[in-house]
Amino acid sequence: AQSVTQPDIHITVSEGASLELRCNYSYGATPYLFWYVQSPGQGLQLLLKYFSGDTLVQGIKGFEAEFKRSQSSFNLRKPSVHWSDAAEYFCAALTGNQFYFGTGTSLTVIP
Amino acid sequence: GAGVSQSPSNKVTEKGKDVELRCDPISGHTALYWYRQSLGQGLEFLIYFQGNSAPDKSGLPSDRFSAERTGGSVSTLTIQRTQQEDSAVYLCASSLLESTQYFGPGTRLTVL
Repeated sequence: AQSVTQPDIHITVSEGASLELRCNYSYGATPYLFWYVQSPGQGLQLLLKYFSGDTLVQGIKGFEAEFKRSQSSFNLRKPSVHWSDAAEYFCAALTGNQFYFGTGTSLTVIP
Repeated sequence: GAGVSQSPSNKVTEKGKDVELRCDPISGHTALYWYRQSLGQGLEFLIYFQGNSAPDKSGLPSDRFSAERTGGSVSTLTIQRTQQEDSAVYLCASSLLESTQYFGPGTRLTVL
């Protein structure tokens, strides 16, 4: 079955530390891949997306993600986390006309 | 209004009542999606509209749920005879063909 997996339900990092959120997908072909962020009480905001080409994609708010076909992964990274990055992060894949979302990773940032 | 809008932002209803949730997609976007997000959970796909094609209703949890999209634009999600387990945030998203989804702020439904 097609799926998107975010193995980490909750991550806590210190402000200024680096961050990596994991995302794995299982599909026959490479889907389109996305990362969204959801702040409390808000809708989902697109951080970045990968369709093809350069496997390292840059997004908003200093985030980046790297597509690794061999690992079926699309991990989200940020070199230095800010307190305002505390939110829920969702990885998603588009294959055909169907979007598949991971269950999300909740990020807590401590001072 | 460049983004996706949803109304109402909050809806409190009594068990057994019907509710209607509205979504205004980004102008020109041909695809429209409804999702449900329960407390602490990920997104549950409900229904997908693309242009004039028949909608993909495969995610609707029961026959109490239905949705329409009039004129290829505004969509209404209707929940009949609401149950407490229907309490969730209902998110709408639109996209141009099958591409990046842009989400609305959601409607928080509380069934008492």
